[in-house]
Amino acid sequence: QSVLTQPPSVSGAPGQRVTISCTGSSSNIGADYYVHWYQQFPGTAPKVLIYGDNNRPSGVPDRFSGSKSGTSASLAITGLQAEDEADYYCQSYDSSLSDWVFGGGTKVTVL
Amino acid sequence: HVQLVESGGGVVQPGGSLRLSCAASAFIFSDYGMHWVRQAPGKGLEWVAYIRNDGTKTLHTDSVEGRFTISRDNSKNTLFLQMNSLRTEDTAIYYCAEDVRWGSQNYFDNWGQGTLVTVSS
Repeated sequence: QSVLTQPPSVSGAPGQRVTISCTGSSSNIGADYYVHWYQQFPGTAPKVLIYGDNNRPSGVPDRFSGSKSGTSASLAITGLQAEDEADYYCQSYDSSLSDWVFGGGTKVTVL
Repeated sequence: HVQLVESGGGVVQPGGSLRLSCAASAFIFSDYGMHWVRQAPGKGLEWVAYIRNDGTKTLHTDSVEGRFTISRDNSKNTLFLQMNSLRTEDTAIYYCAEDVRWGSQNYFDNWGQGTLVTVSS
């Protein structure tokens, strides 16, 4: 069981907006630790998509955005494209565990 | 272009040992902390270990504490993970990842391609 909770899957038609939730607790997201998001295609290494709650590395399309409130965070993909089909993971730090922690991952399917 | 290349994975029996390496290039390796992160087949990501840029501080997740040891050789731009007393539940792809500071916190920037460790009798 992951410390951060994500839905196993989300789906949407091309052009739609989808969001992925990441729910934590008072020892991680709620303690104001940053949330970071990673994108992983099958058979490849993860790649950072959003860092520091809502910052995009260069080269990441502005269709991807992050937000955080209380003990939860969200990744939004607007204008969904076929190439966005991948697994997405949220990540933060947990002060009770003294560990960097991940969500269980969400598979995005483009219908 | 930062490059991280892991090696040393393979098949090992329960109770056995392996030493993973991660060769770094195209960045100043000695300036950055490094992590190992693993992913069991078909499962999510799990942080395993961290080492400070100068090697003076290391952290390991509880499930590997006392069995795994992270280390580095800055003269050879190489990160290591010594894995002893391996268990079937350690079976995973092991990735090395560059630590980046954002404010007072960290995230995983560049990642290697991973090396597969299979623990099986």
